[in-house]
Amino acid sequence: NAGVTQTPKFRILKIGQSMTLQCAQDMNHNYMYWYRQDPGMGLKLIYYSVGAGITDKGEVPNGYNVSRSTTEDFPLRLELAAPSQTSVYFCASSPMGSGNTIYFGEGSWLTVV
Amino acid sequence: AQSVTQLDSQVPVFEEAPVELRCNYSSSVSVYLFWYVQYPNQGLQLLLKYLSGSTLVKGINGFEAEFNKSQTSFHLRKPSVHISDTAEYFCAVSDTGGFKTIFGAGTRLFVKA
Repeated sequence: NAGVTQTPKFRILKIGQSMTLQCAQDMNHNYMYWYRQDPGMGLKLIYYSVGAGITDKGEVPNGYNVSRSTTEDFPLRLELAAPSQTSVYFCASSPMGSGNTIYFGEGSWLTVV
Repeated sequence: AQSVTQLDSQVPVFEEAPVELRCNYSSSVSVYLFWYVQYPNQGLQLLLKYLSGSTLVKGINGFEAEFNKSQTSFHLRKPSVHISDTAEYFCAVSDTGGFKTIFGAGTRLFVKA
């Protein structure tokens, strides 16, 4: 019962490098999300998707891009990494409809040096 | 737009003592309310949620929360905490017509022996 799977779990990037955080869910959920978590700041929504081929910006999208070619996968790309992108990133998914539980992955710890 | 305020960033408490974690929200529309828990180095998982009906909601691990519409609050309580309850707790809100969930900044609960 995998749920939401994120890779990698830890990564160190140099300033200016790019990388992709992978996310996959096996619950056939329509909605998928990327959040970042910074100490004392809670979770901020980066991007979300309501289905394959449909994505939209959240609260803090600058410096990131996403795609959703399948229901299962929702990768997050960081372009030109900056120290401000040092954070813990969570991918999540939920069934269609408001009020539904959001299921989170275990997180990806990213440090930009 | 909704917002969530968790009134305490840290709550230290002795084992077997009662605890209350406070959450206030603001919204111009009807909302659903959630509490999620994050154990160290893990993703968030649902503790409980209020969708409609009884204002007292019971969740996992002996936690409960009360929805107070007039006070726009959704405080989380447990009558007797255990060491294993040490974690970060997030209050969250989503409007009943949408699918975006807004999270509070989190309250770190420390249970001491």
